[in-house]
Amino acid sequence: DVKVTQSSRYLVKRTGEKVFLECVQDMDHENMFWYRQDPGLGLRLIYFSYDVKMKEKGDIPEGYSVSREKKERFSLILESASTNQTSMYLCASSSADLETQYFGPGTRLLVL
Amino acid sequence: AQSVSQHNHHVILSEAASLELGCNYSYGGTVNLFWYVQYPGQHLQLLLKYFSGDPLVKGIKGFEAEFIKSKFSFNLRKPSVQWSDTAEYFCAVMSAGTASKLTFGTGTRLQVTL
Repeated sequence: DVKVTQSSRYLVKRTGEKVFLECVQDMDHENMFWYRQDPGLGLRLIYFSYDVKMKEKGDIPEGYSVSREKKERFSLILESASTNQTSMYLCASSSADLETQYFGPGTRLLVL
Repeated sequence: AQSVSQHNHHVILSEAASLELGCNYSYGGTVNLFWYVQYPGQHLQLLLKYFSGDPLVKGIKGFEAEFIKSKFSFNLRKPSVQWSDTAEYFCAVMSAGTASKLTFGTGTRLQVTL
């Protein structure tokens, strides 16, 4: 079974803090993705990566950055957290040929 | 840019009722289509997918979906829902040339009552 894990299930941070969300997958997948999930808005793609050290902007990259130093790990960084970044953050991975994305359990972030 | 519409935001059904959740997408080229489900407190998981071939696809737990290209639709169906089907359902589309990028609909919350 594919396993995608995220470092925290719940996180509370203060406005202006730098926040790191970590995601690890154990299936040697090439592709990794970060989404945010908000009620009534569904999932929106923040950033994705096709390979180590590669990254592409998704639909809502503003206020975020990412890092992929190792194939299995994809980090989402909030440089200076703001209250409008309070959300559920989902990580996903997929292999280049299978196309199906596998999701982690999510990190619910509250920015005060 | 591609987009996905799920017109039913919240659906309430009694057990054993039939289910159909609508999904329409806007993209003129080749697409791959997905339905994902998120049960309460659980992570998002794949319900079924369509890449090519038979437009009627069957997924887990008795769900099926039909791809109608002329209507740009990929509706999800189940003949008889169970209380355990209570969840949020997301339709998603991946268009050719977008390199595995998924565009999700806003989701439909299904509540099944006993």
